[in-house]
Amino acid sequence: ETGVTQSPTHLIKTRGQQVTLRCSSQSGHNTVSWYQQALGQGPQFIFQYYREEENGRGNFPPRFSGLQFPNYSSELNVNALELDDSALYLCASSLKVSYGYTFGSGTRLTVV
Amino acid sequence: ELKVEQNPLFLSMQEGKNYTIYCNYSTTSDRLYWYRQDPGKSLESLFVLLSNGAVKQEGRLMASLDTKARLSTLHITAAVHDLSATYFCAVEPGTYKYIFGTGTRLKVLA
Repeated sequence: ETGVTQSPTHLIKTRGQQVTLRCSSQSGHNTVSWYQQALGQGPQFIFQYYREEENGRGNFPPRFSGLQFPNYSSELNVNALELDDSALYLCASSLKVSYGYTFGSGTRLTVV
Repeated sequence: ELKVEQNPLFLSMQEGKNYTIYCNYSTTSDRLYWYRQDPGKSLESLFVLLSNGAVKQEGRLMASLDTKARLSTLHITAAVHDLSATYFCAVEPGTYKYIFGTGTRLKVLA
């Protein structure tokens, strides 16, 4: 098992810019989810992909979008960044959701 | 609105003491998960509880689930400093996403 890896680890962007965060799922895991964790809070579900299709979405605006690739790696794109988008973004993969997610180390995004 | 509440939010305890963290949730869920998070780090899976009455133990931590009461507990036995972290419970209300609790920040004092 290679675990879930995310890149970059830290990122600073200016309000209004666009950002792409990347995630490589654990080997064999075909389900990936993205979460946003603001400082001092629990993670909030953004969306989930299963076999390259969006499988569910949380209460986030359309400027949050994603992709999952045939090798099950994934991207999170955020357009028109706002200050409140500053957070730790976590990618999580699973073979089956009820088995529990394995979380990546996260990308710390700061919007200034 | 789905809610997952943990208490206490902050817990400072002496080494060697026992304590319990509570996780209450407002929706039906047959599964509950506990995670640990160290400062600036990601989430580490501790327990996966898949049915009513499930009890799991790992070292000084023991988790249980009562789906009828919509309550899970994480019991800490003889705490040590290495257990200092933030603990989250999460439920999966029959959908594709986890709803995380508010988190309990635990500090174990020597």
